[in-house]
Amino acid sequence: DAKTTQPPSMDCAEGRAANLPCNHSTISGNEYVYWYRQIHSQGPQYIIHGLKNNETNEMASLIITEDRKSSTLILPHATLRDTAVYYCIVRVPSNTGKLIFGQGTTLQVKP
Amino acid sequence: NAGVTQTPKFRILKIGQSMTLQCAQDMNHNYMYWYRQDPGMGLKLIYYSVGAGITDKGEVPNGYNVSRSTTEDFPLRLELAAPSQTSVYFCASSQTGGRNEKLFFGSGTQLSVL
Repeated sequence: DAKTTQPPSMDCAEGRAANLPCNHSTISGNEYVYWYRQIHSQGPQYIIHGLKNNETNEMASLIITEDRKSSTLILPHATLRDTAVYYCIVRVPSNTGKLIFGQGTTLQVKP
Repeated sequence: NAGVTQTPKFRILKIGQSMTLQCAQDMNHNYMYWYRQDPGMGLKLIYYSVGAGITDKGEVPNGYNVSRSTTEDFPLRLELAAPSQTSVYFCASSQTGGRNEKLFFGSGTQLSVL
């Protein structure tokens, strides 16, 4: 699975959009991009995933660049409850359960 | 729905003791997983199951055993506890594998082996 690079920490004002970048320059054609988050040592929570098209669900939007070498997770209106460690994961679908969590980005949402 | 339920939440073991970490899900998911997370680190897959009666090793299976006799339950057994097994253990489930694999995690079991 491709390696990902994320900034170690970011701040965001409450109510503003949080844009979390992820670099995955060695991604291969069959690898998907997944985002999970972990709030204060709870179990990780699935957010969103995609292959090459932009994706949106009730939690967030995922923007993947055309060359697929990077992506951005967007939380449109961050709240204090969005404070968490966000993990960008790239994996081949056939690797069942294999989520290689890097260090992630610690997002601090401030009032 | 309760989702994924893990018991116990905390446990202290002595070296050489055995225990079973319980995991149950009520979402009728076929896939279930066990992970461990060491302090400041990411999750590592211990074992997983794609259905009742089927289990397979993950990245770090040594020292652990699992069984999957029902769709709902996926217990993790530690036979001879060692200090290296001090960690937080997470159980997870998903409806399917492949590209749409979306894991739902339990709240974890914090295990200390002294």
